[in-house]
Amino acid sequence: DTGVSQDPRHKITKRGQNVTFRCDPISEHNRLYWYRQTLGQGPEFLTYFQNEAQLEKSRLLSDRFSAERPKGSFSTLEIQRTEQGDSAMYLCASSWTPAYGYTFGSGTRLTVV
Amino acid sequence: TQLLEQSPQFLSIQEGENLTVYCNSSSVFSSLQWYRQEPGEGPVLLVTVVTGGEVKKLKRLTFQFGDARKDSSLHITAAQTGDTGLYLCAGAMMVRLGGSNYKLTFGKGTLLTVNP
Repeated sequence: DTGVSQDPRHKITKRGQNVTFRCDPISEHNRLYWYRQTLGQGPEFLTYFQNEAQLEKSRLLSDRFSAERPKGSFSTLEIQRTEQGDSAMYLCASSWTPAYGYTFGSGTRLTVV
Repeated sequence: TQLLEQSPQFLSIQEGENLTVYCNSSSVFSSLQWYRQEPGEGPVLLVTVVTGGEVKKLKRLTFQFGDARKDSSLHITAAQTGDTGLYLCAGAMMVRLGGSNYKLTFGKGTLLTVNP
């Protein structure tokens, strides 16, 4: 297993455009998480899937954000009508037993210009 | 309000020195994890501590979980330049009764620089 994969690694987009990120978790992990991290901060929770069910969404996740995990495998995070404040590192993590830790991907660095 | 407070926020030391970083909270956690993150990469799990008072060692790194499971410390002996990075603590709290649904909350991290 190659760990958690995220694509793309970097994305530069113009304000107002839509972007979509993909995460491929470790295949045995049924739980998948999205976090956002800005400079000087720790990761902030965005949303959580157990298999294909989205069980929790942070209030940070505005209506412009949507996440899916069809068939309980890979996940996508879409941001519509991007704003400069959306610029951040978007991290995906997966786990089997979450109390014991996550495996993170390398992240997608989004820059909105 | 920050659920997990990490201190110091920045630490710059010389190779060979010892250091301790702290992670404190008023909340009780089911477990607490430490991660190390390098620039442009995701965090990498170093250790998970579960039992109050637990001490775990990972080569030159010693992790301790407070008796009340509210705080933790990470001690590095004889720091090396390869230890440079952002050290994050994260506490796991159960979000739903039954099952095993936990949410991980991160501190802001301690940015450690070890100079040659």
